[in-house]
Amino acid sequence: GQQVMQIPQYQHVQEGEDFTTYCNSSTTLSNIQWYKQRPGGHPVFLIQLVKSGEVKKQKRLTFQFGEAKKNSSLHITATQTTDVGTYFCAGEGWQGGSEKLVFGKGTKLTVNP
Amino acid sequence: ETGVTQTPRHLVMGMTNKKSLKCEQHLGHNAMYWYKQSAKKPLELMFVYNFKEQTENNSVPSRFSPECPNSSHLFLHLHTLQPEDSALYLCASSVGDGGNTIYFGEGSWLTVV
Repeated sequence: GQQVMQIPQYQHVQEGEDFTTYCNSSTTLSNIQWYKQRPGGHPVFLIQLVKSGEVKKQKRLTFQFGEAKKNSSLHITATQTTDVGTYFCAGEGWQGGSEKLVFGKGTKLTVNP
Repeated sequence: ETGVTQTPRHLVMGMTNKKSLKCEQHLGHNAMYWYKQSAKKPLELMFVYNFKEQTENNSVPSRFSPECPNSSHLFLHLHTLQPEDSALYLCASSVGDGGNTIYFGEGSWLTVV
């Protein structure tokens, strides 16, 4: 079945450094979504990418969807302490005759002030 | 306020107890989900309901019994759980079960003693 791999599992940075998390799917995706879960909180939807090669920005966050629609990345420029949390990608693809949303295992980001 | 409300937020139960988790969504969605989140498996899909019908059971042990009386309410009945079932149980909803954007509740922290 469809698998979504996300790396790294953990990332620790100094405040002001950049951060990137990568997501790879074993199958071609219809779209990919990104979620953020703050410590002690619940996952919250950030963005959805649909088109091949799509790039979207939200302030310091840049999201990319690969040309083959099998990989994606989230890049944060100049991290701040408010960026701490776990970032999940979720790929939507056909599986067993219907579309399924499969989450990666997440990248836990910690930021040292 | 997420639009998806879960109760109780915290639950401690013995292995012989019977308890239930409750979820209500106010978003007019048709699909509802139960996810289990633990250190070992960050976001593990358990059950999916679409228009009150169960469309997915991810090989969940029978000591977890879901109930969906209507599209707005979802329960997870718990019976003779094990300590390894201690985790955060997240309810979620989406417009349909075809991998639309997932809206999570704040979760119910379950401890089995």
